[in-house]
Amino acid sequence: ETGVTQTPRHLVMGMTNKKSLKCEQHLGHNAMYWYKQSAKKPLELMFVYNFKEQTENNSVPSRFSPECPNSSHLFLHLHTLQPEDSALYLCASSQDLSGSSLDGYTFGSGTRLTVV
Amino acid sequence: GQNIDQPTEMTATEGAIVQINCTYQTSGFNGLFWYQQHAGEAPTFLSYNVLDGLEEKGRFSSFLSRSKGYSYLLLKELQMKDSASYLCAVHPNSGYALNFGKGTSLLVTP
Repeated sequence: ETGVTQTPRHLVMGMTNKKSLKCEQHLGHNAMYWYKQSAKKPLELMFVYNFKEQTENNSVPSRFSPECPNSSHLFLHLHTLQPEDSALYLCASSQDLSGSSLDGYTFGSGTRLTVV
Repeated sequence: GQNIDQPTEMTATEGAIVQINCTYQTSGFNGLFWYQQHAGEAPTFLSYNVLDGLEEKGRFSSFLSRSKGYSYLLLKELQMKDSASYLCAVHPNSGYALNFGKGTSLLVTP
């Protein structure tokens, strides 16, 4: 357990389904992130929240909708996804966005998403 | 723009030393991180460099040259459990998120 918990670990969904991914951290961090990890590709930043406010949306399609109700919780709501959206979705947190934290990011174990 | 390059795969023998290189071209620079990721697991923090030079932490060391846009991760006395993907990440500027390379898959053989 890394301090960042993601649920579910695995998810299979049809293209017409609606589902949500959940991320929770109790490290006292103020910044939280969603990254997408596909085979043979770098980790792709999707969304950034700092003190519950969204600070970056990296040109992510609207079928992905983030929600950050408080500094400890982050959700990714999914609807009408495509098969190419199948990937590992990683949540991470950090003290803040300054980069001054020498520990970098703490990642969750990810949700392995398969869209059929 | 952001461009971070690492070799895709490397193989080394147990007990040996391996160096994983990372070159970057980013619009700003506020530090470089190395992460280790075992299959099916979360990436875990290994090292952080913001000034030029070598940072040593046990069997792992990381080097940075900002003028060359270059870093390496040095793993000594390799163990089988070191087989994993190693991710190089650059923090472009304060207030922005990390940018990652594709990762280097290291296989340690007996």
